[in-house]
Amino acid sequence: TQLLEQSPQFLSIQEGENLTVYCNSSSVFSSLQWYRQEPGEGPVLLVTVVTGGEVKKLKRLTFQFGDARKDSSLHITAAQTGDTGLYLCAVIYAGGTSYGKLTFGQGTILTVHP
Amino acid sequence: NAGVTQTPKFRVLKTGQSMTLLCAQDMNHEYMYWYRQDPGMGLRLIHYSVGEGTTAKGEVPDGYNVSRLKKQNFLLGLESAAPSQTSVYFCASSYRGEQPQHFGDGTRLSIL
Repeated sequence: TQLLEQSPQFLSIQEGENLTVYCNSSSVFSSLQWYRQEPGEGPVLLVTVVTGGEVKKLKRLTFQFGDARKDSSLHITAAQTGDTGLYLCAVIYAGGTSYGKLTFGQGTILTVHP
Repeated sequence: NAGVTQTPKFRVLKTGQSMTLLCAQDMNHEYMYWYRQDPGMGLRLIHYSVGEGTTAKGEVPDGYNVSRLKKQNFLLGLESAAPSQTSVYFCASSYRGEQPQHFGDGTRLSIL
């Protein structure tokens, strides 16, 4: 059984603070996607990382893919109230079929207070 | 610019009733998926389809059936609803298996 763990489950911070969300797997994955979901809506893709050690930046968000392809992190600098939402990591495991079966983490509920 | 459309948005059922959730996409995607989202458990794959006329089981298929008669539509059926099926259901589609998935806004289903 492939386990995908996301931490922390809840994060409550003040505007302007930095934060990091982690996604860890028991197995190697071929690619990883980070999604953000707002209440009453479906998840929306933020980024896809496919290369071990890869770092991608999206404005104040920095995504890192671990060298061993078993972990990833999302770092937000100077959080804003608009960053509030549910952040989900999702992976495609290496060696699986190519139909794109995504395994999702449990999610991190981020609340940024003004 | 519809993307993925799910109907209905909300529904309340009694135990034992049946219903069908509809998903339509206008992006000409080959792959379509049905997930359920429960608190603290992320999204779990129920069934998926890799093309018109094909369906396959996901992680939690029991109690659900699906059909993909047309490329743009993917239907999820509950033959005899149970309280354990109370959840938020999301449909998604992608051009190919490795491509990012586009999600609808969900159907909130309560079974009493």
